[in-house]
Amino acid sequence: AQTVTQSQPEMSVQEAETVTLSCTYDTSENNYYLFWYKQPPSRQMILVIRQEAYKQQNATENRFSVNFQKAAKSFSLKISDSQLGDTAMYFCAFMKHFAGGGADGLTFGKGTHLIIQP
Amino acid sequence: ETGVTQSPTHLIKTRGQQVTLRCSSQSGHNTVSWYQQALGQGPQFIFQYYREEENGRGNFPPRFSGLQFPNYSSELNVNALELDDSALYLCASSLGSTGRESTDTQYFGPGTRLTVL
Repeated sequence: AQTVTQSQPEMSVQEAETVTLSCTYDTSENNYYLFWYKQPPSRQMILVIRQEAYKQQNATENRFSVNFQKAAKSFSLKISDSQLGDTAMYFCAFMKHFAGGGADGLTFGKGTHLIIQP
Repeated sequence: ETGVTQSPTHLIKTRGQQVTLRCSSQSGHNTVSWYQQALGQGPQFIFQYYREEENGRGNFPPRFSGLQFPNYSSELNVNALELDDSALYLCASSLGSTGRESTDTQYFGPGTRLTVL
């Protein structure tokens, strides 16, 4: 079974600063996918970024980028030029690669509450 | 493109009752996954349906059951409700296919908040 650990329950930064959220995971799988989801107070879980484990290049989406270290089983999220709207719970999630069907869903960490201060 | 929708938004039930939650998948998606999110926790995988068949299940008892319909919408049924079933129930849809990579990104609905008294 996989586990995902987010060691920062809460973080607070000033608007426009850069912030990095940490995530580590444990798995015996070699093929998998990693995700960061954002959950604002509205509760809707929103995809932020996705990383395929077989890709060495770190994924980026506008102000969001990841630092994926497969050997260390680390997957951190960097938010540049943070904005008030970035305030939310951020969840790191793992999904095993099933070639041929079947699924065991996403495994989530406990989340990091990110607060962007004006 | 229509996103994932869930109904109802909120629900209050008493212990021992049964509840049905509903989910409409995003246009073009054939796979639906259900998650339970307790307060202050990350979501926990309940099960997944692909083309009307259960395709995977997490560590939840049999009183949690589901259905997927030909239009790929889905229901989550919980029997004999317990106080610990109080949670946010999230539905996510994706485009999956057996025989190939089943790794498509899941897109979530707004959730149903269930309170069991």
